[in-house]
Amino acid sequence: EPEVTQTPSHQVTQMGQEVILRCVPISNHLYFYWYRQILGQKVEFLVSFYNNEISEKSEIFDDQFSVERPDGSNFTLKIRSTKLEDSAMYFCASTPRDSPTDTQYFGPGTRLTVL
Amino acid sequence: QKEVEQNSGPLSVPEGAIASLNCTYSDRGSQSFFWYRQYSGKSPELIMSIYSNGDKEDGRFTAQLNKASQYVSLLIRDSQPSDSATYLCAVSHRRSNDYKLSFGAGTTVTVRA
Repeated sequence: EPEVTQTPSHQVTQMGQEVILRCVPISNHLYFYWYRQILGQKVEFLVSFYNNEISEKSEIFDDQFSVERPDGSNFTLKIRSTKLEDSAMYFCASTPRDSPTDTQYFGPGTRLTVL
Repeated sequence: QKEVEQNSGPLSVPEGAIASLNCTYSDRGSQSFFWYRQYSGKSPELIMSIYSNGDKEDGRFTAQLNKASQYVSLLIRDSQPSDSATYLCAVSHRRSNDYKLSFGAGTTVTVRA
C-alpha cells in the first residue's frame, strides 16, 4: 500500500539555522499539507498546497516558513531561521483529488530539535 | 472557544470492556469527521471517518455523528492492550478545494490487561 514518506526522521539544528524537511506524498495525490505537533500538545495545521500554490496557511506559518514542490514527487517545508519554539514533530499529509472521503494520509513525521 | 474539544482523559478500561470517546466541534459548516489513533512518538493513523448522521461500524470500532448537537463519538468494543494510545478527533473544514483538518487535544486510552 502506498505511503507518505518523510526525511529525515530526526533533525537537530542550532537556533537561527535553516532547515528543510522533505516529504514524498502518495503518487496520485494532489493536495498536500504540513502539520506540526509540539510535544504534549495537539496537532496543528500549518499550510495546505494545491496546484503548485498555497491554498491556506495558519497564523503559525509566518514569513520564516515556505513550502515548495520542486519536482513531481517531493514536497518540502523550509524554516529559514529556526527558533527554539520550532522544536516539534512535523507531519506531511496528502489527499487524493476529488476524493469523496477527503481522508488525509500522514507520513511518519520529522522530529525537529532546535538547540 | 476551541474548534474541537475532546474529553481529556486519561481513560483507563479493563481488557474486553468498551471504551467511549467523545468530541464536540464548534463549526457548523464542518463536513467530514475523523478519528485517528496516535501511538507515542508516531504519526496519526486513521481509524474511522464519518460524514453523515448516525452510526458507522468497522470491526470493533463504531463512530457516531450528530451534526445537530455538533457531536461525534468513538466506541471501541472488546478493548485490547494494543488499543492503548491517544485518540484524536479531527474535523475537516472545506473551503473551496481545501480540506484542512482541525484536531482535538486527544484522549489517552489505557487498556488494562
